[in-house]
Amino acid sequence: QSVLTQPPSVSAAPGQKVTISCSGSSSNIGNNFVSWYQHLPGTAPKLLIYENNKRPSEIPDRFSGSKSGTSATLGITGLQTGDEADYYCGTWDTSLSAWVFGGGTKLTVL
Amino acid sequence: QVQLVESGGGVVQPGGSLRLSCTASGFTFSTYYMHWVRQAPGKGLEWVAVISYEGRNKYYADSVKGRFTISRDNSENTLYLQMNSLRAEDTAVFYCARQLGYCGGGNCHQDYWGQGTLVTVST
Repeated sequence: QSVLTQPPSVSAAPGQKVTISCSGSSSNIGNNFVSWYQHLPGTAPKLLIYENNKRPSEIPDRFSGSKSGTSATLGITGLQTGDEADYYCGTWDTSLSAWVFGGGTKLTVL
Repeated sequence: QVQLVESGGGVVQPGGSLRLSCTASGFTFSTYYMHWVRQAPGKGLEWVAVISYEGRNKYYADSVKGRFTISRDNSENTLYLQMNSLRAEDTAVFYCARQLGYCGGGNCHQDYWGQGTLVTVST
């Protein structure tokens, strides 16, 4: 059972938009910045979003992040088949003194 | 360019030990906190441990506390994970990752990751 809660899967058609939610508590998301990662098993995870809504320079603006209270959301617009991957939210948990990930969300582009 | 290369994975029997290494290049290793993260087969990413840039501060996931030890050699640009009393449930791909920011201030993330090394705990 992950400290951060994500839906196990989401799906949408190419060109459409999808959002992935990440729910936590005051000891993690509520008081710390959230980051998002894209991962294909067996490869290096890739940082997509940091500090809730900032993108590394190489990440296209189709990817966006937001945070409100103890929840965060990753948005992906203009879906492409290459976006099919697992997506994870993560943040520091102050009470646990530990980094925590969500359980991961598998994105399928139909 | 930043590179992180893990090594040391393999097959080990339950109760055994293994030491993983992560060799860093392309940045000043001694000025960054470093993490270990793992992914068991069919499971999600699980954070394992983090170490401060000078090695003084270390934090662990409850699942590995008392069995795993994170360390670093800044003169060799290398991060380590000593794993003892290994269990079947420790079977996973282990990744090292570089931290940006300061988690104590609530603002940190991992910006570069290695390709991972597979650890299999089995008889």
